Amino acid sequence: DGGITQSPKYLFRKEGQNVTLSCEQNLNHDAMYWYRQDPGQGLRLIYYSQIVNDFQKGDIAEGYSVSREKKESFPLTVTSAQKNPTAFYLCASSFRGTENTEAFFGQGTRLTVV
Amino acid sequence: AQSVTQLGSHVSVSEGALVLLRCNYSSSVPPYLFWYVQYPNQGLQLLLKYTSAATLVKGINGFEAEFKKSETSFHLTKPSAHMSDAAEYFCAVSYRNDYKLSFGAGTTVTVRA
Repeated sequence: DGGITQSPKYLFRKEGQNVTLSCEQNLNHDAMYWYRQDPGQGLRLIYYSQIVNDFQKGDIAEGYSVSREKKESFPLTVTSAQKNPTAFYLCASSFRGTENTEAFFGQGTRLTVV
Repeated sequence: AQSVTQLGSHVSVSEGALVLLRCNYSSSVPPYLFWYVQYPNQGLQLLLKYTSAATLVKGINGFEAEFKKSETSFHLTKPSAHMSDAAEYFCAVSYRNDYKLSFGAGTTVTVRA
């Protein structure tokens, strides 16, 4: 089945640690995105990528890093520089440049700092 | 900045009553508009989208939305609420030359028996 897979579903991080969230899609989408969701704030864009080996900062990129070495994969690293990383993280993908730009979402990763 | 605003962070309706969720966008260029639904601890699922064809768009689960350019609105409606409609709903916008989605803050719907 085609879709977008995030792992793990739950993740616990100690203060000062870096953690990496996985996102894989088999929809043949060029564009991939990472959003952060906090209660009452909707979804805020962290990073996005239009093609392999290229990505751009979104609205809240500080304390995060990404890579796009393969079309199917767009992992997100939450670094120790991110002051308040506890949140629900959503990965999405879409076609680009056409009317079919709706994003397909993974099931999310809930990150908690302990 | 181009953005989308959802009026009302929380809506409560009785089962069988009309559901109306409001969304306004701010843009001088034609938008693509979307409504998504999110159930607790899950990802977002597309309800419907507007991409410059018919202004009245029908989606899944009995929802529909109407694009009104003069009002820069894309409100979501469902004639008769069901208990399973309890969820959070997000309006989103993108553009032909800037296809990444920008989301509203979301509206949580509760349905009373």
